[in-house]
Amino acid sequence: KQEVTQIPAALSVPEGENLVLNCSFTDSAIYNLQWFRQDPGKGLTSLLLIQSSQREQTSGRLNASLDKSSGRSTLYIAASQPGDSATYLCAVLSLGNAGKSTFGDGTTLTVKP
Amino acid sequence: DGGITQSPKYLFRKEGQNVTLSCEQNLNHDAMYWYRQDPGQGLRLIYYSQIVNDFQKGDIAEGYSVSREKKESFPLTVTSAQKNPTAFYLCASSIAAGGASNEQFFGPGTRLTVL
Repeated sequence: KQEVTQIPAALSVPEGENLVLNCSFTDSAIYNLQWFRQDPGKGLTSLLLIQSSQREQTSGRLNASLDKSSGRSTLYIAASQPGDSATYLCAVLSLGNAGKSTFGDGTTLTVKP
Repeated sequence: DGGITQSPKYLFRKEGQNVTLSCEQNLNHDAMYWYRQDPGQGLRLIYYSQIVNDFQKGDIAEGYSVSREKKESFPLTVTSAQKNPTAFYLCASSIAAGGASNEQFFGPGTRLTVL
């Protein structure tokens, strides 16, 4: 059974700092990994999707990497801003799981002005 | 304007009542999903549907029911058998249920509170 872990659960950084969020998974037989952002009381917004054959994806100040062999993905946020404050979740779509994704519990990021 | 809508935004339920949460999408997606989110936790899958007139139980289906009579609609009923229904409910859709390029998109959520 796929298990997805995000550590730390919470992270606080000063504005302008570059930071890395981590996502680990136990079964490397995956279709893809998706990173989401969730603001308090809101739905999830898709940030980046990395297919199993890809190593990384970039969108603006965000860069997500995938290392299937080690079961790890990172989300790199450059030059953080207070508006980046939110909870970031990763989700893994596994082979043989009938199209069901497994979500981590998220990392809550606070960027202080 | 394409997307996923959920209604109502807030819902209050008395003990013993059934309530239905609405989810509609105009993205022409085949697959739709219902998740439950409790404070400080990730998402848990309740039900999902890969195609019209077909749906499967997720990890926590007990006390819930769904229907998929139309491609764009996937309502969730929280029955009185669900003992702890207070939570944030999220609906999602994707082009298909599997595949490397398959990406999930989410609605804004419904917060259900039991009085």
